Amino acid sequence: GAVVSQHPSWVICKSGTSVKIECRSLDFQATTMFWYRQFPKKSLMLMATSNEGSKATYEQGVEKDKFLINHASLTLSTLTVTSAHPEDSSFYICSAKEVTDGGRETQYFGPGTRLLVL
Amino acid sequence: GQNIDQPTEMTATEGAIVQINCTYQTSGFNGLFWYQQHAGEAPTFLSYNVLDGLEEKGRFSSFLSRSKGYSYLLLKELQMKDSASYLCAVMDSNYQLIWGAGTKLIIKP
Repeated sequence: GAVVSQHPSWVICKSGTSVKIECRSLDFQATTMFWYRQFPKKSLMLMATSNEGSKATYEQGVEKDKFLINHASLTLSTLTVTSAHPEDSSFYICSAKEVTDGGRETQYFGPGTRLLVL
Repeated sequence: GQNIDQPTEMTATEGAIVQINCTYQTSGFNGLFWYQQHAGEAPTFLSYNVLDGLEEKGRFSSFLSRSKGYSYLLLKELQMKDSASYLCAVMDSNYQLIWGAGTKLIIKP
């Protein structure tokens, strides 16, 4: 089946630095990718929808200047956490939507990136 | 390699009970998640099992057997709104999530 990868798996950084997380669809093209944040009670919060070749659509309450999303190609979307602070420490998960020739849509999730900001 | 297996699609009748199975082979185990996802929406957290046994939460229950690499999600008193995809995901020893492809559940009147 389709595979979505994320890099890095883990990142520890100092407060004030920026961190880039990559999300790749490995064997299919994804015009749409999604970025989620997992909270301690395991719920997933959709942060933004990343569309190839256009600006991302952010959910209410998510700062677009803080969480920069770039969907530069059909297989890669990046999330950059700018000027990270300890409260940004979380588990970030991406997913990619595959649309088959028959129009069937399937969403595949990545393994997640654990960010710890000191 | 690591993999999660769950049925692609299941059909059930309103008011009935359905069990969605999930088997896994992962490098290590730090818990198993079930999420519900309606088309076009973000997944909603249903359950998290890290110890063997059954956990009940309203109409939904989740069971885990770590020795068998097996879990199921049990939905009782099915309602039409339960039509959705149900995702099984395991957190491995590196705290990475390994996702199943999801089970599309169709509820018929």
